[in-house]
Amino acid sequence: AQSVTQPDIHITVSEGASLELRCNYSYGATPYLFWYVQSPGQGLQLLLKYFSGDTLVQGIKGFEAEFKRSQSSFNLRKPSVHWSDAAEYFCAVAPGGGADGLTFGKGTHLIIQP
Amino acid sequence: SAVISQKPSRDICQRGTSLTIQCQVDSQVTMMFWYRQQPGQSLTLIATANQGSEATYESGFVIDKFPISRPNLTFSTLTVSNMSPEDSSIYLCSVSDPRTTEAFFGQGTRLTVV
Repeated sequence: AQSVTQPDIHITVSEGASLELRCNYSYGATPYLFWYVQSPGQGLQLLLKYFSGDTLVQGIKGFEAEFKRSQSSFNLRKPSVHWSDAAEYFCAVAPGGGADGLTFGKGTHLIIQP
Repeated sequence: SAVISQKPSRDICQRGTSLTIQCQVDSQVTMMFWYRQQPGQSLTLIATANQGSEATYESGFVIDKFPISRPNLTFSTLTVSNMSPEDSSIYLCSVSDPRTTEAFFGQGTRLTVV
């Protein structure tokens, strides 16, 4: 069975600083990979996804993620964070893309310092 | 994209009672998914609901506790039966677009069992 590990439960970053959120997955082949953001009281919003092609994918809100097969990682990055980026971030995998339910990591809570 | 409406958005229920959560999608979809997000935790897939067939439950979830209906391609319900305080969670409905692999989520139903 697939699994997702987000090793950082909380991350604090100063506004304007760069950000990297880590995600490692366990699966026999390359799964479909996703990053979602959940703001307080809000639903889940897809930031970006990867299933093939260029290993550096661009998403919304200035986020990007890089797939590294050798490390089974799909880390999320942003060059300069804004206070509005404070939220919970979830990495997720799906073996069959849209045909399967998602397996989520435990999430990383991002705190932005002024 | 798909727009998903869930009802109720929140409820406070007495232990031992049951609550039925409704999920309405603005387009026809083959597969619908139900997730649970316990307080401060990640999302866990409860079951996959296909129209015209029995729902498929993940390990740890059973039909007697979480019966699901899927009467047509735009609607599904999840019932939380014989509730206990441990069932206090956010329950989310989701659909996926097999063309883009993107999963869309409702706003969730915040359930508190007292």
